[in-house]
Amino acid sequence: DAGITQSPRHKVTETGTPVTLRCHQTENHRYMYWYRQDPGHGLRLIHYSYGVKDTDKGEVSDGYSVSRSKTEDFLLTLESATSSQTSVYFCAISEPGGRVYEQYFGPGTRLTVT
Amino acid sequence: SQQGEEDPQALSIQEGENATMNCSYKTSINNLQWYRQNSGRGLVHLILIRSNEREKHSGRLRVTLDTSKKSSSLLITASRAADTASYFCATDSGGSNYKLTFGKGTLLTVNP
Repeated sequence: DAGITQSPRHKVTETGTPVTLRCHQTENHRYMYWYRQDPGHGLRLIHYSYGVKDTDKGEVSDGYSVSRSKTEDFLLTLESATSSQTSVYFCAISEPGGRVYEQYFGPGTRLTVT
Repeated sequence: SQQGEEDPQALSIQEGENATMNCSYKTSINNLQWYRQNSGRGLVHLILIRSNEREKHSGRLRVTLDTSKKSSSLLITASRAADTASYFCATDSGGSNYKLTFGKGTLLTVNP
């Protein structure tokens, strides 16, 4: 899986609680992305990062925040989880200029908000 | 909003047959990529075709791109049961942020 791990792999949490998902890479790629995948919607970009401390919003960023203090780690935080955030979350990495534009995906985190 | 839209949403064929999936998109692109996702797994990159290319091959995969029609097709020849997966197209509209926009996918089932 191209040296990408996600933790936890599964999580059940209650509405209103904060949740942090972690993406860790060993490839030293500059770009990292967080997506959510839902039936009928495909993959939608939540946030992405183009370097340490450099992040930007994606298509569905409301209710999510991210941080990247090290090249290898990209954290996604649900500030106050809601049932609509029940989803499968994927992290991806890329290094444009190397394997240009291809993204490599982690195994995913299945999050259930009750 | 989705840039790419795959067609059909689901496709069921017998082993040995060819499978064709289509992708349409709305705005101009820098390149178009196809990914595969096995059930419960992350996406895996299959092939990339640039906007100035019309056809590309990789093993049993053949991708075409028609920028005038804003469409692409993925052909898998001599399909195998192991090809059973969801297939997604993803478009890159250029710029410095290297973001991809994914379609909703085609679920391919190859029956042995």
